[in-house]
Amino acid sequence: DTAVSQTPKYLVTQMGNDKSIKCEQNLGHDTMYWYKQDSKKFLKIMFSYNNKELIINETVPNRFSPKSPDKAHLNLHINSLELGDSAVYFCASSPRGGGYNEQFFGPGTRLTVL
Amino acid sequence: AQSVTQLGSHVSVSEGALVLLRCNYSSSVPPYLFWYVQYPNQGLQLLLKYTSAATLVKGINGFEAEFKKSETSFHLTKPSAHMSDAAEYFCAVSNQAGTALIFGKGTTLSVSS
Repeated sequence: DTAVSQTPKYLVTQMGNDKSIKCEQNLGHDTMYWYKQDSKKFLKIMFSYNNKELIINETVPNRFSPKSPDKAHLNLHINSLELGDSAVYFCASSPRGGGYNEQFFGPGTRLTVL
Repeated sequence: AQSVTQLGSHVSVSEGALVLLRCNYSSSVPPYLFWYVQYPNQGLQLLLKYTSAATLVKGINGFEAEFKKSETSFHLTKPSAHMSDAAEYFCAVSNQAGTALIFGKGTTLSVSS
């Protein structure tokens, strides 16, 4: 059983399109996250979310929006895709915030914007 | 603000040699520190974490790290490298609010036979 899963694994699309990446965790965790890994492999938090609070990294463009239909899912919607959005996007989850808990990562979605 | 610095973007060792990957942190509060490994085209897997219990932390696959407050360091070591250890290694610190991990830039470990 995959703990944190993402679909699709690869996503190739044109500039200006709108796309979504889905994330599901079966660990019963309260908190989920989205991270972006750029071409230099640098990882940066985009969002953290539990059923009460969404925390947005202020550097994330508002074209990106997380949507959580339920506690086990946190999808990432991206509007008006740009070349610079090409990256690997990782979903993660943890039991709850607090900083000391391990975050469990999904396998990543490689987004390529042409 | 919390941050981590990984010294050396690329480390090369021979199989059987000691592995030492360096990480220094900056934190205004007692830090929670993590080492993650990323194999090619995969997600991140936790190797070990420091959460203010023992300063010497043992992790998976024979890795360990020692928290040294005086040196603000959390270096990762393994006594004997295996070919399968070749991967990208990330040091991370939890942000002060506990809402995210702040990652270093990563160190690529190469292991030669």
